[in-house]
Parts: sequence; C-alpha cells; structure tokens
Amino acid sequence: GEDVEQSLFLSVREGDSSVINCTYTDSSSTYLYWYKQEPGAGLQLLTYIFSNMDMKQDQRLTVLLNKKDKHLSLRIADTQTGDSAIYFCADNSGYSTLTFGKGTMLLVSP
Amino acid sequence: EAGVAQSPRYKIIEKRQSVAFWCNPISGHATLYWYQQILGQGPKLLIQFQNNGVVDDSQLPKDRFSAERLKGVDSTLKIQPAKLEDSAVYLCASSLGGTGSREQFFGPGTRLTVL
Repeated sequence: GEDVEQSLFLSVREGDSSVINCTYTDSSSTYLYWYKQEPGAGLQLLTYIFSNMDMKQDQRLTVLLNKKDKHLSLRIADTQTGDSAIYFCADNSGYSTLTFGKGTMLLVSP
Repeated sequence: EAGVAQSPRYKIIEKRQSVAFWCNPISGHATLYWYQQILGQGPKLLIQFQNNGVVDDSQLPKDRFSAERLKGVDSTLKIQPAKLEDSAVYLCASSLGGTGSREQFFGPGTRLTVL
C-alpha cells in the first residue's frame, strides 16, 4: 500500500532555517500537503503543492517537490519558537483520501 | 467562520465499555472524515462521508466501530466494545467536497484512554 516516510525529529536555533523531508511511494499522488499540529490541537494545513509543480513559496515557507525521487521538503525560513510543533507530510491517494507520515517534531530553541 | 467542533475533548473508559464521539463540521461542508491518531503516528482515515453517504470505510474495524451522519451534517463515531488498542485521538475533519476543495479542516480531536 501507499507509504509516507519522514524523519522523526529536528532541532534548530531561532532565526535559522529548518528543512523537513518526506518521501512517498504513491506515484499517482496529485497533491502533496504539509500540516502542522501543536500540542492538544488538531491539524492545520500549512501549504500544498500540485504534482506537476516543483516548487511553491508562501511567505516563510518553501516546498520543493522532486517527483522522480518522490521526495518532498518543507523549508521554514527564519524559524521562530512559535514554529515548534509536529509537521506532517501527506499525499492524496484517492479522491480526497489523505495518507499521512508519522510526523516530524520540530523543536526551536531561543 | 466557526471551525469543526468535537465533543467530548477527553474520555476515559474501561475496556469492553462503549463510547461515542460527536462532530459538527463547518457549515456547508459536504465531506466529513473521521481519523484515528495513535500516539507517535500520523492520522489514519477511518471513514469518509459525502453528505450522508459513505465514500470510504475500508479501514474502519466494523466489528466494533460504527459511524453515521444522519441528515448530512453532524456525525457520531461509536466504539462498542472498546479495546486497549483503541486508545488514541479521534479527529474529525470536513471539506467542501468536489474536485476544487483540497483543504480538510480539522477539529481539536477527542482523546480516548481505554484502561
């Protein structure tokens, strides 16, 4: 079945850039997503990219997609302590069904 | 715009008991999802409704889990009887539905602990 893999933990200093990586197996994915989850809260959609694009920028967020290698990354510029959270990569393997990775915990230290 | 509402926020039960969760999606959203998120994992889809019809329930353990969405608005998810491995956060999400609506909006979840 479809699988989405992420590194589990990333620690950065405030002001640095963070890069969170994700790989997926479903070559038919049409959209790929990044969600953010803060403690005790539901998931918040950060950004998504259509599979025929290779880059999308949205303020401090940059998404890079390498469709050949099935590799997706999320770069957060000028990372702030408020960015500390769990970040989930997801792809849509069906009409709108999402398959999530296990999440990457980002810890930003002052 | 009000978000997705879920209740209760927390529930503790003993194994073999029954439990029900409630979800009120964003007004006008045709598609409603229930996800199970076990600690340390990403959310896993349990069931997806389009209005009051089931689109996908392939990963719903139907021997103990049931869900309904009467009138195509609110939804309830029930577990009967609960097992220890059902301890998780149950997330409800909704979306407009249709090919143009890619964003799923998530509620805060119900944290279930089965003792």
